[in-house]
Amino acid sequence: GQSLEQPSEVTAVEGAIVQINCTYQTSGFYGLSWYQQHDGGAPTFLSYNALDGLEETGRFSSFLSRSDSYGYLLLQELQMKDSASYFCAVRDPGSGGFKTIFGAGTRLFVKA
Amino acid sequence: GAGVSQSPSNKVTEKGKDVELRCDPISGHTALYWYRQSLGQGLEFLIYFQGNSAPDKSGLPSDRFSAERTGGSVSTLTIQRTQQEDSAVYLCASSLGQLGETQYFGPGTRLLVL
Repeated sequence: GQSLEQPSEVTAVEGAIVQINCTYQTSGFYGLSWYQQHDGGAPTFLSYNALDGLEETGRFSSFLSRSDSYGYLLLQELQMKDSASYFCAVRDPGSGGFKTIFGAGTRLFVKA
Repeated sequence: GAGVSQSPSNKVTEKGKDVELRCDPISGHTALYWYRQSLGQGLEFLIYFQGNSAPDKSGLPSDRFSAERTGGSVSTLTIQRTQQEDSAVYLCASSLGQLGETQYFGPGTRLLVL
């Protein structure tokens, strides 16, 4: 089976940099996705890593190390609007690769 | 183009009643997913459709839950004989291909079973 671990909460100051970690245990691996969800809103896709290394998209970057079964989401120049929950997700090869498993989410609080 | 839409946005029902939740995916997206999210929790996978077929139903919690998809487009999730523990937000997502790395979510249906 698959499982993902991420911190439940992170607090940071506006303008700072914050890193949200995700470790996974999988019987196979296709890649790691990240989603953002504001309170009462729908999850929105942020990034996807299939290969080791850093993917950068504006203020957000995502990193993957397949050998360590570890990834992280890096948010730079934090803004108040970044206060949200962030989920990492993987596909489960055990069910044909269609089932997506989400972590429990990390709630980010950005303070002024 | 339009995003994923879901209806109703909110549904309050009495225990024991049946409910139907609808999802309209992004046009052309062949893959469709249903998830359930309880308050403050992560997303729980329910079922995956590729076209009109459902190769993975492993997340459906019980036989009270069923889903179908017609015309490779609209999908309906049906919950029979609802229970209070069914109260949650039901989210639908679609993606362009089978890989599902990028899923586009609808706003969800908030279901409350009294």
